[in-house]
Amino acid sequence: DLQMTQSPSTLSAAVGDRVTITCRASQGISSWLAWYQQRPGEAPKLLIYTASSLRSGVPSRFSGSGSGTDFTLTISSLQPEDSATYYCQQANSFPEIFGGGTKVEIK
Amino acid sequence: EVQLVESGGGLVQPGGSLRLSCSGSGFTFSDYGLHWVRQAPVRGLEYVSAISTKGDGTYYADSVRGRFTISRDNSKNTLYLQMTNLRAEDTAVYYCLREWLHWYFDLWGRGTLVTVSS
Repeated sequence: DLQMTQSPSTLSAAVGDRVTITCRASQGISSWLAWYQQRPGEAPKLLIYTASSLRSGVPSRFSGSGSGTDFTLTISSLQPEDSATYYCQQANSFPEIFGGGTKVEIK
Repeated sequence: EVQLVESGGGLVQPGGSLRLSCSGSGFTFSDYGLHWVRQAPVRGLEYVSAISTKGDGTYYADSVRGRFTISRDNSKNTLYLQMTNLRAEDTAVYYCLREWLHWYFDLWGRGTLVTVSS
């Protein structure tokens, strides 16, 4: 089965910092990748789809890049409301579609 | 308002059964594939099951195949997950999701908690 690996599992950064999260697929998935944000006590929310397309209404400080096996989610200037866990999700084949998550904490 | 609302969670003993429901509103329910994803306490997201728009196609993760059954009633705008022979490892918040484009999930319910314990 296709496996998704995220790194780091946790990161701590200050407000205004540039933050990068990595997601690696065990085999090529072209650009079939999404990123979700899950704040504590809430359901995940779609941020990015097809690796780099920003969903309507999502702040432009979020961006995604990559194709094949290596992908990144970047927050250009971290804000307090960005404290959350971020998941990548491959849309290529079931069932192991989610990465393990990256918890972003504010220093 | 466009939303999905899950219900039916609760405490059940190992080996027991439970039926989850997910009611959709604010959109044409029958136009969308629907999915269930679960999240165990302080854990990541685990894919569970999918159903096509008309209900004639389904998919299950290995961990639930043969024990869970997904179905939908488009006349009632409702998605179901019938869970049988429940195990402690099925304890999780269960989310229903709306599929958008190719297997992306643009709408999530708030989730319903299932606890399997004696």
